[in-house]
Amino acid sequence: DAGITQSPRHKVTETGTPVTLRCHQTENHRYMYWYRQDPGHGLRLIHYSYGVKDTDKGEVSDGYSVSRSKTEDFLLTLESATSSQTSVYFCAISAIGRNTEAFFGQGTRLTVV
Amino acid sequence: GIQVEQSPPDLILQEGANSTLRCNFSDSVNNLQWFHQNPWGQLINLFYIPSGTKQNGRLSATTVATERYSLLYISSSQTTDSGVYFCAVHFGNEKLTFGTGTRLTIIP
Repeated sequence: DAGITQSPRHKVTETGTPVTLRCHQTENHRYMYWYRQDPGHGLRLIHYSYGVKDTDKGEVSDGYSVSRSKTEDFLLTLESATSSQTSVYFCAISAIGRNTEAFFGQGTRLTVV
Repeated sequence: GIQVEQSPPDLILQEGANSTLRCNFSDSVNNLQWFHQNPWGQLINLFYIPSGTKQNGRLSATTVATERYSLLYISSSQTTDSGVYFCAVHFGNEKLTFGTGTRLTIIP
């Protein structure tokens, strides 16, 4: 199994509070991704990173920010959580992006009340 | 925009039956993967198959890139095969785009 750890695995938070999700990898892969999964939408890309301090937006990036200060860690921050951000969040990694296999973490279930 | 369509959306089979799941995509791809999401939510890699045919036990997959589709075959289904099957593609950039999945239910 690919060495990907997401934390926390479950979180309940209140509307308007900041939330940070962490993805940690031990594979030294260059690319890291954050997806959200919602019923009827499959998995949608929020942000991705192609190296330390190099990030770009995905299709559903509004309300989210990311940071990558080390190869092994990719953080997803909800600056002010809203109920529409209740979802399951998945982190993924791949060695060199488009032509290599991606592997996923176990997911974080976030509930915003 | 880029489209990844999977069919059928739902499939219910008796244990021991065979099934074929389809993934159509609207443009040329660099990379195609099949995943199984089990009832606990874990995404399991099945195949990395931008073209050609691969087999792994009771599962096999074929991608015909020139015709923009991929097929996942499951033979002699078992209850542990239940879950949602996703295909995902790279369209010439770093973003992996998912289809909406096929939910497979295997009845004992």
